[in-house]
Amino acid sequence: DTGVSQNPRHKITKRGQNVTFRCDPISEHNRLYWYRQTLGQGPEFLTYFQNEAQLEKSRLLSDRFSAERPKGSFSTLEIQRTEQGDSAMYLCASSQALISGNTIYFGEGSWLTVV
Amino acid sequence: DQQVKQNSPSLSVQEGRISILNCDYTNSMFDYFLWYKKYPAEGPTFLISISSIKDKNEDGRFTVFLNKSAKHLSLHIVPSQPGDSAVYFCAASDGNQFYFGTGTSLTVIP
Repeated sequence: DTGVSQNPRHKITKRGQNVTFRCDPISEHNRLYWYRQTLGQGPEFLTYFQNEAQLEKSRLLSDRFSAERPKGSFSTLEIQRTEQGDSAMYLCASSQALISGNTIYFGEGSWLTVV
Repeated sequence: DQQVKQNSPSLSVQEGRISILNCDYTNSMFDYFLWYKKYPAEGPTFLISISSIKDKNEDGRFTVFLNKSAKHLSLHIVPSQPGDSAVYFCAASDGNQFYFGTGTSLTVIP
């Protein structure tokens, strides 16, 4: 399978704990995006990378959230001191940056439940 | 502020009929538009896209129409099938970020 891969698929954690999600993009894609989705809402942009450079972060992204993409391959999204409001599906997507017509392809998502 | 809006949270259609899903946007800098389909507990799946230089793109049963002057796009599914029942998201891109609507839940009744 050469699609976007995310793990773990499900994570239940206690409030205050740290969690980390991993994303492996489609191999030839140089852009990688993180989104968050809650029930009844569309995917909400968190951040994106071009190769290893983090080009943009949502102003809504708390300091407790950090993302990395070492060597421009896989990426990790860490949430520190989790809160119940962090419960959501965390989606990773990747694309090949083009001048136009840049389509992003999503992984299966990682569900986070903070109890 | 929501730059991409889907004002119909749900839509029910008889099998074999046409499904029309609508989407409005506010940012005239958007130059690429996409539709995604999502089943529960899965990530969104890309369906079809359209560049701002076109007004129509067709792929099998799916056609996307773009009206730039009205800042409106629509997805037509003909004929609708029960397997099309899912949540559909429209998205718009300015070349960097992608902005999503809140989705329309489509139910195709057999």
